Amino acid sequence: AQTVTQSQPEMSVQEAETVTLSCTYDTSENNYYLFWYKQPPSRQMILVIRQEAYKQQNATENRFSVNFQKAAKSFSLKISDSQLGDTAMYFCAFMKPSTGNQFYFGTGTSLTVIP
Amino acid sequence: DGGITQSPKYLFRKEGQNVTLSCEQNLNHDAMYWYRQDPGQGLRLIYYSQIVNDFQKGDIAEGYSVSREKKESFPLTVTSAQKNPTAFYLCASSVAISPQHFGDGTRLSIL
Repeated sequence: AQTVTQSQPEMSVQEAETVTLSCTYDTSENNYYLFWYKQPPSRQMILVIRQEAYKQQNATENRFSVNFQKAAKSFSLKISDSQLGDTAMYFCAFMKPSTGNQFYFGTGTSLTVIP
Repeated sequence: DGGITQSPKYLFRKEGQNVTLSCEQNLNHDAMYWYRQDPGQGLRLIYYSQIVNDFQKGDIAEGYSVSREKKESFPLTVTSAQKNPTAFYLCASSVAISPQHFGDGTRLSIL
């Protein structure tokens, strides 16, 4: 079974500061994909960023970037210049094509941006 | 605009009653998924379907049933066998190795 671990149930950050959310995963596969989703109070799941395991370069989307360490099976999310709208639950997810693109989610990190 | 529509947004179930949650997508995605979300937990997979007329059990399928008669639709029935159905239910779809797109969810409560 694939497991995704988010060891930080709750985090907070001052507005305009930088915060890093941790995620580790366990797999014996070599071909897989990693994602970070954001779930604001509205409960809608929003894709934040995506990383292909075969790519060495870390993915970046505006203020969001990842630190992908394949050997360590680590996939952390860095949010720069935090904004109040970043307050949400953040879920790390793992997907491997060999199981019909089934997704495996971590338990989430609740992030609060403090004004 | 393309997307996933879940209905109803709120649903109440009486003891011993089956209820069906609707999920419709117009994204032309092949795969569809149902997840359950409980407080403090991540998303747990109930069922998924990769093509029409075919579906597989996820990690917590007991007490649930699904059908996939049309590509656009993947309804979930919460049966009376599901003893703890109160939760937030999310439907998602995807194509190939693309990220999953999610609906807005249905909150199910017990009367």
